[in-house]
Parts: sequence; structure tokens; C-alpha cells
Amino acid sequence: DQQVKQNSPSLSVQEGRISILNCDYTNSMFDYFLWYKKYPAEGPTFLISISSIKDKNEDGRFTVFLNKSAKHLSLHIVPSQPGDSAVYFCAARQGGSEKLVFGKGTKLTVNP
Amino acid sequence: GAGVSQTPSNKVTEKGKYVELRCDPISGHTALYWYRQSLGQGPEFLIYFQGTGAADDSGLPNDRFFAVRPEGSVSTLKIQRTERGDSAVYLCASRPTGGAGNEQFFGPGTRLTVL
Repeated sequence: DQQVKQNSPSLSVQEGRISILNCDYTNSMFDYFLWYKKYPAEGPTFLISISSIKDKNEDGRFTVFLNKSAKHLSLHIVPSQPGDSAVYFCAARQGGSEKLVFGKGTKLTVNP
Repeated sequence: GAGVSQTPSNKVTEKGKYVELRCDPISGHTALYWYRQSLGQGPEFLIYFQGTGAADDSGLPNDRFFAVRPEGSVSTLKIQRTERGDSAVYLCASRPTGGAGNEQFFGPGTRLTVL
């Protein structure tokens, strides 16, 4: 029973365009959400996060949007760069718990 | 500064053998986590340490898996009587408790292959 779902296994975009990665969750007790980026043979690297009390958080080219009523969040990357090509994981944490629950990931390819 | 380090980077063993995987967290990080990532999946939580004690071990799949952190820094994940299904990348992460952020910092992982 997947509590965090990333329904698109892969996404391909052109350099300079916007990349939108989506994530859905089922557990309404999640209060904190994170996005991680992972290159092959490396551990996940933290990218950006958002608390459930907010609906948007921006950091440079990366913006995360949270729609609590729809239990949906998305990561926008603008403009996309070839170095952004990686697997992106959405993760969620329930209040009072330390464990992160991850989605299966979306492989982003940014073509030059 | 140095990030989370894990040794060995790769471990190949035979079914039924015992293995130990080591994690060196970022200096000063009191919280330490173990996750397991199988092929095509996201990381799956195993256990969380706060200092020396295991505060949440709800993710350990069975009693063949055990982890320790005797001095509150380095941690060892121990797997007894390994099975082929234990093959995965084992990730360690750490976090400074009380810090402003909630992100966990991951190491590169140990790829375990059970033949």
C-alpha cells in the first residue's frame, strides 16, 4: 500500500523548458514533504522541502507546490538544465515520526 | 566538511552468511537512519537512532536484521542468515536534531548482493 505515489516513471524535457514532477499521497497525517535528487551510484541529495502549513516554497530554479485538499504536490524546475537529469524522489513525514516515506521516483532527462 | 560515509561500497555474499554494513554520520549529527532501496523502488525506512538508542525500529523486516550505535556516532547494520531477497542498496542518513531543517543527509549506500 503505497502512501506516496509518483505515477510517472520517467519524464523528458528540452533544456530551458519547465520540468514538472508530480507526487500524490494518501496519508493526511503527513505534515512535511521533501524532494530528493539521485544520481547513479550516489545517495539521494536533498533538494527542497515544504511544510503542510504552506502551499509554495521556492529556491532558485526549484519551486514546490502543495495542494493539501488534493493530497498532491509538484516540483517545478525552471529553466531545466542537462545537469538536472537524475531520478527525483518525493518523500513525506508524518508529524511525530522521524521516518521518511518515499515514492518510487521519476527519472528526469533534460535534453540539450 | 565530510558527508555521510558508508563502507563497504559493495558487498557480495552467499546465502546464509552474516554481513555487517557500517555508517559514519556527519560529525555532530545525533539522529541516524537506515533505509533500504530495492531496484525500481524508493528508499524504505528500516530504523532510526537518536543518540545511542534505537528510537524507531518499526521498519526492520524481521529478526535477522539488527543495528547498533554504541557510542552515538558510527552505526552498524547487521544481517544474519542472508537471503537473496536481502539484495538491495542500504542507505544511511543523518540529521542534526534541533536544526532548522528536517532534511536527512544521505550517504552513497552499500550495494549488497546475496548470491
